[in-house]
Amino acid sequence: QLQLQESGPGLVKPSETLSLTCTVSGGSISSSSYYWGWIRQPPGKGLEWIGSIYYSGSTYYNPSLKSRVTISVDTSKNQFSLKLSSVTAADTAVYYCARYDFQGAFDIWGQGTMVTVSS
Amino acid sequence: QSALTQPPSVSAAPGQKVTISCSGSSSNIGNNYVSWYQQLPGTAPTVLIYENNKRPSGIPDRFSGSKSGNTASLTISGLQAEDEADYYCNSYGGSGTPFVFGTGTKVSVL
Repeated sequence: QLQLQESGPGLVKPSETLSLTCTVSGGSISSSSYYWGWIRQPPGKGLEWIGSIYYSGSTYYNPSLKSRVTISVDTSKNQFSLKLSSVTAADTAVYYCARYDFQGAFDIWGQGTMVTVSS
Repeated sequence: QSALTQPPSVSAAPGQKVTISCSGSSSNIGNNYVSWYQQLPGTAPTVLIYENNKRPSGIPDRFSGSKSGNTASLTISGLQAEDEADYYCNSYGGSGTPFVFGTGTKVSVL
């Protein structure tokens, strides 16, 4: 059973860089059938796709966040990571990592991790 | 690219049917697959429907999806108390924004 687990600081100061890692267990991140992505949800609000990465390193970002986002993959560790720079309070959210199946769905999600931006 | 448009809330009595709409454009829903997600309070979303109308194994057949033009719909038949949750649609949005979610709909069971 493939599982995803987010990890990283729960508190980030304004203007700093938010860094999260998603560890994939029970399967390989190097499968050619999936993308791996980050999605966030501010408190009481809806889901926002941040970006996705293929195991080869090809990335796709939400245009509204593209200037601040970097997603990378480490196949040797079966992990992929998110960096979001110059954060503000508006970046406070639950951050989820998820697998995207080429059949057209985010079929497996991590449990999510709350990140608060505050001084 | 803007989020797909869903009604903020729908409600019905147990056993009744509810339908949630998801409105987009030809650049997303009109020419791409739609998926639907259920998010119970305090938990991560789970996929209910993929490729417009297919259910993953383990999803009850009272959940069904359809698409017509630039609008997709999720129907819950025989509503149960455990269906009280937030529901989101998602579609490929084209090269500009590959993935776009709907605004979300809260389903309440009266």
